[in-house]
Amino acid sequence: GDSVTQMEGPVTLSEEAFLTINCTYTATGYPSLFWYVQYPGEGLQLLLKATKADDKGSNKGFEATYRKETTSFHLEKGSVQVSDSAVYFCALRGTYKYIFGTGTRLKVLA
Amino acid sequence: EPEVTQTPSHQVTQMGQEVILRCVPISNHLYFYWYRQILGQKVEFLVSFYNNEISEKSEIFDDQFSVERPDGSNFTLKIRSTKLEDSAMYFCASSANAGGRTDTQYFGPGTRLTVL
Repeated sequence: GDSVTQMEGPVTLSEEAFLTINCTYTATGYPSLFWYVQYPGEGLQLLLKATKADDKGSNKGFEATYRKETTSFHLEKGSVQVSDSAVYFCALRGTYKYIFGTGTRLKVLA
Repeated sequence: EPEVTQTPSHQVTQMGQEVILRCVPISNHLYFYWYRQILGQKVEFLVSFYNNEISEKSEIFDDQFSVERPDGSNFTLKIRSTKLEDSAMYFCASSANAGGRTDTQYFGPGTRLTVL
């Protein structure tokens, strides 16, 4: 069945460091792909999405490119801030549901 | 910007009791979903609902769970006889359509259910 694999966390970075959170997927066809962010004590917020191969989603300085060849959708940010500390979830869209990865906790230190 | 709302934000109940979690989806959306997240774990799909019927459900969604759209705005998840392992954050989501490439599910802030 469809699945999403994310890198294990937690990831701890200093402010202004470069961030990469790896995400790969297994699916039939070419599903839409998403990154959601969950700040402490809050719900899931859509961060960015890509609906077809080679699409690049971007928002708030975060980017991810839909790579069909490597079945990947890695999240990147050039310079993280303390306020980016959260849990990041990669997800793919099935017919009636989203399938989420396990989440990667990011901690940014000042 | 329209958003999905959920009530209550936190529900505490005794094992064996019935609970109803409430959601108000975005008004022009037609597809509704429930997910749950046990503390520290991943978000898991429970059920999808369209046109007053369940479209798909996971193995977690057993006979103790039910969903309903009792009126034109609310979407509810009922757990008939709660167990300790039902303690989790429950997220409601809605989307304008299902399966399309541009479709996006919008999530509510969640209801934290604690079963004692």
